[in-house]
Amino acid sequence: NAGVTQTPKFRILKIGQSMTLQCTQDMNHNYMYWYRQDPGMGLKLIYYSVGAGITDKGEVPNGYNVSRSTTEDFPLRLELAAPSQTSVYFCASSYSTRGPRTDTQYFGPGTRLTVL
Amino acid sequence: DQQVKQNSPSLSVQEGRISILNCDYTNSMFDYFLWYKKYPAEGPTFLISISSIKDKNEDGRFTVFLNKSAKHLSLHIVPSQPGDSAVYFCAATNRYNNNDMRFGAGTRLTVKP
Repeated sequence: NAGVTQTPKFRILKIGQSMTLQCTQDMNHNYMYWYRQDPGMGLKLIYYSVGAGITDKGEVPNGYNVSRSTTEDFPLRLELAAPSQTSVYFCASSYSTRGPRTDTQYFGPGTRLTVL
Repeated sequence: DQQVKQNSPSLSVQEGRISILNCDYTNSMFDYFLWYKKYPAEGPTFLISISSIKDKNEDGRFTVFLNKSAKHLSLHIVPSQPGDSAVYFCAATNRYNNNDMRFGAGTRLTVKP
């Protein structure tokens, strides 16, 4: 049982490039989330999904896209990378019918992205 | 805007003593609060939570206190152990949007042997 796995661990992008951050969970969780953490700041929710085929915007969705075609996978797409997207990205999952307020979220180890 | 604030970026305590980590919030719609712990190069892990209908929740060495009138919560760790050295994040959720969880910037706790 690997929990939540994220790839890659590190990535450097040039401005304008695109990439997909991968996230997979093997706990059969219905909820999945993408957060970003900027230096000295707390985590901010980018997008979340309450099940396959259903996604919704979080606090900071601009510049990102997501899809959820399976229960296990929740990739995050950056189409035109900008320096403001330099951050550490965390994926998380939980089993819930009510969201994170009472249900434990399990986080992946993060992807450190630098846009130059 | 920073709706959840942790004003102390770091805290250092001696092993065996009490660690007190503080968190303030501004949004009166928050009604559920969580603490997460994060080690370097790992994702955050859930530690303890409290609903706004309570003022205290205890789990082993960890106790969270909530003061709704002051919009303040604190995490007490007694006794502190070197393995508790980590970054601690306070988080809060909105009663009208279960998925809108807001995090503080974190407090780095160092427990010295």
